Amino acid sequence: DSGVTQTPKHLITATGQRVTLRCSPRSGDLSVYWYQQSLDQGLQFLIHYYNGEERAKGNILERFSAQQFPDLHSELNLSSLELGDSALYFCASSPLGGNTGELFFGEGSRLTVL
Amino acid sequence: GQQVMQIPQYQHVQEGEDFTTYCNSSTTLSNIQWYKQRPGGHPVFLIQLVKSGEVKKQKRLTFQFGEAKKNSSLHITATQTTDVGTYFCAGPDGFNKFYFGSGTKLNVKP
Repeated sequence: DSGVTQTPKHLITATGQRVTLRCSPRSGDLSVYWYQQSLDQGLQFLIHYYNGEERAKGNILERFSAQQFPDLHSELNLSSLELGDSALYFCASSPLGGNTGELFFGEGSRLTVL
Repeated sequence: GQQVMQIPQYQHVQEGEDFTTYCNSSTTLSNIQWYKQRPGGHPVFLIQLVKSGEVKKQKRLTFQFGEAKKNSSLHITATQTTDVGTYFCAGPDGFNKFYFGSGTKLNVKP
């Protein structure tokens, strides 16, 4: 158990819909990273938050947005969903702000868009 | 932007054989990390390398960081079925982005 909690574990929805994925980092960790993993693919970096502020953006679509709240949990919002958005979305946390240190991954939220 | 490439994409070995995966970055890395993702699981941190030319060992696993800090390798000696999974390298780009390599999927046949 990494200490990172992601909900929901599974989500099935239709094209055009909007979903919110939630991540609770390990106690005390200030950084939250979001990654997308399509079937049998690598981990695509989406976005990084540190202590409530956006630190870095990867190849995140404009239809996607995220935020980190004062209690440090984070949400990833995916809207106008397309079939290609079906993937496993991982959240990872770290006690540090950026370029070093272990990332602790949650178990992921599997999104299926029909 | 930074790219982190890994080879091979897949590797099938007989139990007891050795395995190596290679990671190459288009830019110099301040550090490199390795993660293992078991089938159906999430990535789990294995190790971080920081120094140029650094070599670290964890039991049957040997990790190396290149002299130029642009490449790294993970070598597993005498693979076991418990080694099955996908191995990722990961490195920061210096701007708070943490990029993962494409991964090497290891299958070990008993």
